[in-house]
Amino acid sequence: GNSVTQMEGPVTLSEEAFLTINCTYTATGYPSLFWYVQYPGEGLQLLLKATKADDKGSNKGFEATYRKETTSFHLEKGSVQVSDSAVYFCALSGGAGSYQLTFGKGTKLSVIP
Amino acid sequence: KAGVTQTPRYLIKTRGQQVTLSCSPISGHRSVSWYQQTPGQGLQFLFEYFSETQRNKGNFPGRFSGRQFSNSRSEMNVSTLELGDSALYLCASSDIDVTSTDTQYFGPGTRLTVL
Repeated sequence: GNSVTQMEGPVTLSEEAFLTINCTYTATGYPSLFWYVQYPGEGLQLLLKATKADDKGSNKGFEATYRKETTSFHLEKGSVQVSDSAVYFCALSGGAGSYQLTFGKGTKLSVIP
Repeated sequence: KAGVTQTPRYLIKTRGQQVTLSCSPISGHRSVSWYQQTPGQGLQFLFEYFSETQRNKGNFPGRFSGRQFSNSRSEMNVSTLELGDSALYLCASSDIDVTSTDTQYFGPGTRLTVL
């Protein structure tokens, strides 16, 4: 079945540091890949997505590239801010006709001034 | 467009009771999915409804059920509550049709506490 593995946190960075959160997946077919973010006490917000190999999703300075050869979708940001502190989830859907999202365990990011 | 709304936002129940949670999807979205989020198990898929039909179901006991109405609003029900059902229940809507995959947009969740 489908599965997502992402680096577990917590991750603590200083403001303006470079961020990478690793995500790898296992899936049949051709899944779509997503990064969602969850702020304290809230639901999930879509951060970015990619639907086919070599696609790059980007939003609010975050980027991730769909790498089929390494089955990865790593999240990066060049300069994090305190407001980026949240939990980040990598997820996949689709592939073999399944529309449900399969999530990684989440990575808690704390950015300190 | 208004986002996904869920009611109530918070619930406290006791073991053995049952509970009904409600979700109103984004206008025009016909697919509604439900997920359970717990610290131990993370985010797990419960079920998905499309045009009033359950299309997918996750690995949860029969105490968890759901339905979708003709206006795409959805409810999920948990009967005979157990302590382990304490969780954040998230609803997501999408304009998924039968041939494509699309983005799911989440509501704020309902925090259920079972005492």
